[in-house]
Amino acid sequence: ETGVTQTPRHLVMGMTNKKSLKCEQHLGHNAMYWYKQSAKKPLELMFVYNFKEQTENNSVPSRFSPECPNSSHLFLHLHTLQPEDSALYLCASSTHGTPRASGNTIYFGEGSWLTVV
Amino acid sequence: ILNVEQSPQSLHVQEGDSTNFTCSFPSSNFYALHWYRWETAKSPEALFVMTLNGDEKKKGRISATLNTKEGYSYLYIKGSQPEDSATYLCAFNYGGSQGNLIFGKGTKLSVKP
Repeated sequence: ETGVTQTPRHLVMGMTNKKSLKCEQHLGHNAMYWYKQSAKKPLELMFVYNFKEQTENNSVPSRFSPECPNSSHLFLHLHTLQPEDSALYLCASSTHGTPRASGNTIYFGEGSWLTVV
Repeated sequence: ILNVEQSPQSLHVQEGDSTNFTCSFPSSNFYALHWYRWETAKSPEALFVMTLNGDEKKKGRISATLNTKEGYSYLYIKGSQPEDSATYLCAFNYGGSQGNLIFGKGTKLSVKP
């Protein structure tokens, strides 16, 4: 138990569906992240939020829409996805996401397996 | 393009063997190097964060070294146990912010009893 909880753990959705992934952290952290893990690829950063403000968008297509209502919750809204978006989506948090945080540990959730059909 | 290379991709050892893996990263703009252990169906678990050239960290039977001038880090496991079976990831921080972490593809370790 890392203190970062993701739901659902598995999601199957059609290309015209709208769904959301949810992440909650109980660590009192101020930065939250979405990562994507595709088959045979390294973990890839998607978004970073610091104190609820988005500070990084790693050229992610607009069919992925993040939302961070407070420092403890992060959502990833999914709309008109493609089969190639099927992957494991990991949420993470850390104390800060700012440059002074380079030595800080990032804590990950167990991920949400997404299959787009 | 910043690249983090890990080798080998996979490794099969017998229980009791000692083993080590390599993480190579750019030697410029270094801020930190992270090691994670990722067991199947679990979350990646932080092992070490290393920030200084020459750093050595140890956690039980697992240790790591860091050479920022030549751009590599070694992870060592002494006396491997079946519960050490996992994928070991390294991540290079090149810009200070945690948004600047580049991950390697990992080394998948299997330890046979």
